[in-house]
Amino acid sequence: GAVVSQHPSWVICKSGTSVKIECRSLDFQATTMFWYRQFPKQSLMLMATSNEGSKATYEQGVEKDKFLINHASLTLSTLTVTSAHPEDSSFYICSARAGLAGGCTDTQYFGPGTRLTVL
Amino acid sequence: GQQLNQSPQSMFIQEGEDVSMNCTSSSIFNTWLWYKQEPGEGPVLLIALYKAGELTSNGRLTAQFGITRKDSFLNISASIPSDVGIYFCPTASSGDKLTFGTGTRLAVRP
Repeated sequence: GAVVSQHPSWVICKSGTSVKIECRSLDFQATTMFWYRQFPKQSLMLMATSNEGSKATYEQGVEKDKFLINHASLTLSTLTVTSAHPEDSSFYICSARAGLAGGCTDTQYFGPGTRLTVL
Repeated sequence: GQQLNQSPQSMFIQEGEDVSMNCTSSSIFNTWLWYKQEPGEGPVLLIALYKAGELTSNGRLTAQFGITRKDSFLNISASIPSDVGIYFCPTASSGDKLTFGTGTRLAVRP
């Protein structure tokens, strides 16, 4: 149980285009999903917290107009990187927190990540 | 601000050896988690610790939550090549946000 998927697993795009990444909790409902970014050989950095049915909460230094987050249902959150540029190239990872019925609330289950390369 | 230190930063060991790594923090936490990340993948939860002093095992892995709630260690016994990866020990703060350290990179020589 507690499987989280991401789509696509990798994407290459031209500078200036927008890219949408999906995060799905496959076998549990996730009231909260988190989006992280990881640069090569670095740790995971939290970008934003996404709550179903409400606006996402962004970490300091993360542009909310650049990284649009939508959490339309209890099993789906999307991250759209708008007008992507080469410096946005990174590994984007989502995680989903199971509700009380699914286990301890502090446990986050991570997706497999999406490798974004902007040319 | 909160500081999370992982030690060692990297390890290169022989297959069959035991491994020990730890995390320390300047703050007190109620939860400590251990994740493993393989190249090109997302982190996978290994062990979750919720009580000070708690000792939990998962197969060849054993983790303990320090009594002071400022540290935790992870031991891997009889390492195998598939143990290769980066081990993270994030802690949970308000709103269940996880703070990740720099990780411990483990390489296992067959």
